[in-house]
Amino acid sequence: ETGVTQTPRHLVMGMTNKKSLKCEQHLGHNAMYWYKQSAKKPLELMFVYSLEERVENNSVPSRFSPECPNSSHLFLHLHTLQPEDSALYLCASSQDITGFNNEQFFGPGTRLTVL
Amino acid sequence: AQKITQTQPGMFVQEKEAVTLDCTYDTSDQSYGLFWYKQPSSGEMIFLIYQGSYDEQNATEGRYSLNFQKARKSANLVISASQLGDSAMYFCAMREDLFEAAGNKLTFGGGTRVLVKP
Repeated sequence: ETGVTQTPRHLVMGMTNKKSLKCEQHLGHNAMYWYKQSAKKPLELMFVYSLEERVENNSVPSRFSPECPNSSHLFLHLHTLQPEDSALYLCASSQDITGFNNEQFFGPGTRLTVL
Repeated sequence: AQKITQTQPGMFVQEKEAVTLDCTYDTSDQSYGLFWYKQPSSGEMIFLIYQGSYDEQNATEGRYSLNFQKARKSANLVISASQLGDSAMYFCAMREDLFEAAGNKLTFGGGTRVLVKP
């Protein structure tokens, strides 16, 4: 595997389910990110992790719970979601969080549908 | 106010022609970076090009070039010699506070859908 991978690619869940999204980066990066892309809205940053520590929580509801066990893996645990949480969830990584051209590399995303 | 504005929701371009995608931004910072990403229908965001606020020359990467006009706060993407594979959504993004450990936060515009016609 190369780059940033995400599983599953598609997920359908009920409002009472608990599920997790997984992201893995094979780039040796120190920072990882979760983004939400809803229809007709700009991409929104949700969480930022640097060296496994959360450095940004962008006013995300507690029904989204991130976990970063090491610098290569990032999870997003989901529980009691709402239909408006249906979106494409993108994971990204970058070498660090400081510096000028700190390009973020994105995964293919998980298309989440909440029924 | 929106920090990144992309006024063109969608556009057609003929294969082999050039296309310019507009992006204007709003920031009071002196040090910032501007990025362009491509998102095909498969979903992944592909980095195309970067322009730093202190860069004196416009960035170029292959068929992509950035027309950076700092005083007008615009960072338009130019794609030359369009190919069918260029059909995708294109997003302009900005990172402010380059000297701060601000989490490398990117703010994205609403995107422009480009469809290349054969």
